[in-house]
Amino acid sequence: EVKLQQSGDELVRPGASVKISCKASGYTFTSYSMHWVKQRPGQGLEWIGAIIPIIDTTEYNQKFKGKATLTADKSSNTANMELSRLTSEDSAVYYCAREGYGYRFDYWGQGVMVTVSS
Amino acid sequence: DVVMTQTPVSLPVSLGGQASISCRSSQSLVHSNGNTYLHWYLQKPGQSPQLLIYRVSNRFSGVPDRFSGSGSGTDFTLKISRVEPEDLGDYYCLQSTHFPPTFGAGTKLELK
Repeated sequence: EVKLQQSGDELVRPGASVKISCKASGYTFTSYSMHWVKQRPGQGLEWIGAIIPIIDTTEYNQKFKGKATLTADKSSNTANMELSRLTSEDSAVYYCAREGYGYRFDYWGQGVMVTVSS
Repeated sequence: DVVMTQTPVSLPVSLGGQASISCRSSQSLVHSNGNTYLHWYLQKPGQSPQLLIYRVSNRFSGVPDRFSGSGSGTDFTLKISRVEPEDLGDYYCLQSTHFPPTFGAGTKLELK
C-alpha cells in the first residue's frame, strides 16, 4: 500500500524557516517524482514544485523560487520541503503528492498545517 | 500559466441525483505526444485531495463507475450519477500538460 506520511503541524515566527517532511512507503521511492502543493485556508490548490529523487533534480513554480527548497533523502525514503523567510502569506496546508503514470498526482500525504504567527 | 476555469463554483444536488462540473482551459491540453493530461480530484472536508479521474476519462483504482470524465482540447466535464453522501466535497481539475501544473479553483458539491 502506497503511503505518504507527513510531519506534524508547525507554528513558526515571521521571518523564520520551517522544514516539513514526507516519508514514502509501499513503493520504490526513487522511481517516482514527488510534488508539493499549497492550500491556503478556504482556498484552492497551488503547485509549488517537484523533485525527482533518483537524480535529485528539482523544478519550481516561478512564484515559489527562493521561498521553497525541495530535497530528497534516498536512505530514508523521505522528501523534504524547506520554506524560508516566512510571512502570514505562507500560512497554509502543504501537501506532498506522488506523481504517478500519466503526470497525475495519484497519492497524497495527509498535509501539514503551517501557521506563521508571532 | 494555463488558467483552468471551473463552473459552477457551488453545485447543490439531491442524493441520488446527477451532477455535472465543467473545466475549461485557457489553451489546449493536448500534449505534443498526443495525450491530454487533465485530471479530476475530490477533496472531502478535512481530507487530502483524492484522485478520481486521470487523463480525461480514466477512473483511478477503486473509484466507482458513478464517476465519469469526458472532453477534449480545452473543454472537460466530470459527471457524477446517483450522488451519494460520500461524494460531497470540493472537486478540482488539474492540468499537467503544460508547465507549471495548474488547478481549477474548485466546485463545492453540496446537498440541496
